[in-house]
Formats: sequence, structure tokens, C-alpha cells
Amino acid sequence: ETGVTQSPTHLIKTRGQQVTLRCSSQSGHNTVSWYQQALGQGPQFIFQYYREEENGRGNFPPRFSGLQFPNYSSELNVNALELDDSALYLCASSLGTSVYNEQFFGPGTRLTVL
Amino acid sequence: DQQVKQNSPSLSVQEGRISILNCDYTNSMFDYFLWYKKYPAEGPTFLISISSIKDKNEDGRFTVFLNKSAKHLSLHIVPSQPGDSAVYFCAASARNSGTYKYIFGTGTRLKVLA
Repeated sequence: ETGVTQSPTHLIKTRGQQVTLRCSSQSGHNTVSWYQQALGQGPQFIFQYYREEENGRGNFPPRFSGLQFPNYSSELNVNALELDDSALYLCASSLGTSVYNEQFFGPGTRLTVL
Repeated sequence: DQQVKQNSPSLSVQEGRISILNCDYTNSMFDYFLWYKKYPAEGPTFLISISSIKDKNEDGRFTVFLNKSAKHLSLHIVPSQPGDSAVYFCAASARNSGTYKYIFGTGTRLKVLA
């Protein structure tokens, strides 16, 4: 069983640029959640996708957007990058949207905005 | 506004002794709590959870205690092993919030000394 994978591992961008991060769900999982983990902080919920539809969003501006594909893989897009967007971005997949469905996290993408 | 707080950034414990990690929350709507463990360069992995209808849940060496009146939970690891050295996050969820959203604390770095 393949776990959750994310690409790229590291990324350096400059302020104002756009970035796309990718996540492959664990086999059979139809739900993907994205989190931002700033240095010294816990993961913060960005949004969740269930069967290709957004199913909840945290306190992040619209320049953070996402997609989920028919194979349940997912993308996180961030436009107009700001210095504060520098963080570890984690995706987590699960079998459903219930809080009782265990979330399996990928290793994350470390984004640095200069 | 930090709804889930882990006030101890780090903890060192001797191998074989008990590790106690603490977590406080402010939102009385939270009714499901989890602990995640994170090793460097890996995503968080689920450790143990507890529903608000219980005050204790045990899984092998790991026990989580919930004190609803104090809005406090703790994770006990007995006996502690060097492989337990990691960052531990507590997380909380309100099942009736309408979104599948975990609120994470800032983490406690546990170091188990051999």
C-alpha cells in the first residue's frame, strides 16, 4: 500500500510568484486536507477536498486554492506569494470526511519565499 | 487566538520513565481530541484519540486523559523509549462544526535519554 506522497520536497520562490504543490493520496482515499505549518507552529487547516469538491476551508485568503482530480490526487495553488507563506505544506488523505477517519499525512513540501 | 495550547515546547525524560505531555484548549465545542507524533522529514502520524464522552483511552504504552471541566488533556507514555523522541502535537475537533477540521497545538518536542 503506497502512502501519501508530496512533490516537490523543497521549493524556493520569490514574492509575487505563483506556486503549485502536489499530493498523491493513499490508495482508496477520497478525501484530502491541506495544512500549512509555519516554523514553531502546529499545522493550520487550509481546506479539504472530498470527491473533487471543496468541503470546508480554514482562515486563508482566496489566493490559496486547490483542486482534486478523479484519481483523488490534489494540488494546492498559491498566487501572489508573500514572505509569510514560507512554511511546510502538508497534505493528508483519509477514507472519508468524518473526524473518525484517520488522516494520513505526507512528508510535506518546504516552501521558502524570498 | 490559540484555541489549542501546548505550553511546554520541550521535555526530556529518562528511558524507562513516564513521559507526560500536556495540552489545554479553550473552545468548549471541541469534542474529539487526537495526538500526533512527528519525526523530522516525515509527516505527522496518528497516535491515539479520545472522544469527549470518555475521560481515558489506552493503547499499549500510550494513554490519553481528558479533563473536560479543566479543558485539559494529557498524553502519558510508559515506559518511555528512545524511539519515542519526536515532536508531539495535540489536535482538537468539533464534530458539529460542519467542516472536517483539526485545530493543532504548537507541539512539544520529547527527548528520551538512553
